[in-house]
Formats: sequence, C-alpha cells, structure tokens
Amino acid sequence: AQSVTQPDIHITVSEGASLELRCNYSYGATPYLFWYVQSPGQGLQLLLKYFSGDTLVQGIKGFEAEFKRSQSSFNLRKPSVHWSDAAEYFCAVGADGYNKLIFGAGTRLAVHP
Amino acid sequence: DTEVTQTPKHLVMGMTNKKSLKCEQHMGHRAMYWYKQKAKKPPELMFVYSYEKLSINESVPSRFSPECPNSSLLNLHLHALQPEDSALYLCASSQDPRPEQFFGPGTRLTVL
Repeated sequence: AQSVTQPDIHITVSEGASLELRCNYSYGATPYLFWYVQSPGQGLQLLLKYFSGDTLVQGIKGFEAEFKRSQSSFNLRKPSVHWSDAAEYFCAVGADGYNKLIFGAGTRLAVHP
Repeated sequence: DTEVTQTPKHLVMGMTNKKSLKCEQHMGHRAMYWYKQKAKKPPELMFVYSYEKLSINESVPSRFSPECPNSSLLNLHLHALQPEDSALYLCASSQDPRPEQFFGPGTRLTVL
C-alpha cells in the first residue's frame, strides 16, 4: 500500500539558516510527488512537484526538492529560511490512478528571529 | 483565474440544521475533491468527482452529501452533523489526468 512518512513532527530553525524537511514514500510504480505548505487556518499551497525527468526540482518561494529513488525519498530544502516560512509542510504521493493524494503527517516549522 | 474559492469561510451549525458548503473553480479542471482536516492532522479525502461524476467516496457517512452541478461547481450538503464533524473542509481541483491538486482556503465548520 502507498504511504508517506515525514519523520520530523516539529522543526525549529533560526532565520537565515538552511532547512531540510524529510519525506520518505512507499509506492510500487514511479511516484508523482508533491510538497504543500499550509499556514494556520488556510488551505494548502503547492510548493513543487516531481513527475519525471530531472530529479532536482525547483518550486516557489525559493524551495527545491530532490527525488532519490534508491532511498525512496523526496526531501525539501531551502538555503535560507525567512520568518514567513513558518507553517505546516506536507509531503504527498499521487496514487490510485492519481486522483488520490496520500499525505504524510506533516512537519511543523518554527522560525526563530 | 487560478483560484479555488470556497464559501462560507466560517460556519456554525446545530446538529439538526441543514447547510451547504460551496466550492468554485474557473481553471477548466475536470476533477474536484472534498477533504476534511482536523487540527494538527493532514487532509483526509472524502469525495472525488471526475467529469462531474462521483468516482471516489471514502466511506463517508451519509450525513455528508456531495453534489457537482457542473464542471466548475462542487457542493457539500450537510445534515444532522455531530460535534466530531467540526473541522476545516477543503475543496481542491485538478486537471484530470494531471495529478497536482489546487486547494481552496477552506471552510471552518463548527457543529454545536
């Protein structure tokens, strides 16, 4: 069965520091992978996606993610975090004919000034 | 227009009320979704409409009744809800078969 694991429930970083959020997936075929961000009480915003091709994908707001098939991972990175990046981040895999997203439990990011 | 809109933003209802949540998109997407999200949890899929036909129902109780009047609109009719149904209800759409989903801002529902 498809699944997504985000090992870190909470992460705290200082403003200006680099960030890496981890995501591991379980999926039999080539996955469609996504990172979404959610600010409190808001909807989810798509940060970036991986379908095929270049394994390093660029997204909005300066985020990037790298697909590593051998590690079943799709980690999200940002070189320098801003206070406005504080939010909940969800990794997701497209499944079951791709009309279904399987979400990880989420990682809550706090940013210290 | 690249937005998914949802109305109302907030809704408070009693357990005997009937209310509806509305979702609209004008991106030409042919798949639309309802999710339920409890605090500090990921969204849980409830229903999927593809080309205006219900394609996935994740064993949702019958007190939730979805409707897709046309390719741009999605409704969720609510009746006899329970306090545990209080949550953020999110609508999303996608350009079937492309899988990336675009979410609306949600409706915060409180059942008293």
